[in-house]
Amino acid sequence: DQQVKQNSPSLSVQEGRISILNCDYTNSMFDYFLWYKKYPAEGPTFLISISSIKDKNEDGRFTVFLNKSAKHLSLHIVPSQPGDSAVYFCAAIQWANNLFFGTGTRLTVIP
Amino acid sequence: DTGVSQDPRHKITKRGQNVTFRCDPISEHNRLYWYRQTLGQGPEFLTYFQNEAQLEKSRLLSDRFSAERPKGSFSTLEIQRTEQGDSAMYLCASSGEAGNTIYFGEGSWLTVV
Repeated sequence: DQQVKQNSPSLSVQEGRISILNCDYTNSMFDYFLWYKKYPAEGPTFLISISSIKDKNEDGRFTVFLNKSAKHLSLHIVPSQPGDSAVYFCAAIQWANNLFFGTGTRLTVIP
Repeated sequence: DTGVSQDPRHKITKRGQNVTFRCDPISEHNRLYWYRQTLGQGPEFLTYFQNEAQLEKSRLLSDRFSAERPKGSFSTLEIQRTEQGDSAMYLCASSGEAGNTIYFGEGSWLTVV
């Protein structure tokens, strides 16, 4: 049972434009959400997180939006850069226990 | 380097052999996690320690898998009688008391031939 879903396996964006990566979840008890970036043969790198009591968190070029009623979150990257090309994983935590991951979205930023 | 470190980074072993991976978490973190990732999937939870206590184990962690964290610092993950289906990246992660932000190591690639 996949509690966190990323329905787009890949996304291509021109350099300088906005990248929007989407994530849906089914468990309303999740209280914290995180985005990770992953290069091949490396572990996931933490990017940004958001508490379930907030609807937006921003860190530089990265902004995460949370819509609890829709059980949906998104990661916006503006402006996109070629170095952003990687696989992005959405993850969720319940009660500070383990992370539940989505299957990832491969972002390609075209120079 | 004060991040999560894992050793070895790569391991090739013959089916039936035992392998052990080591993880050193971020020094002030008391929570330590093991995950497994296969191609095209997100990381899957295996087990979790708070200090030396193993608090949760996934059903993915068969009897051939055992994890320890004897002194609440580093952890080991042992796989006995490896099978080809065990080939994956094994990820270790750690977090502080709040547990809200979990940091991953570089991973240990296992190939069972």
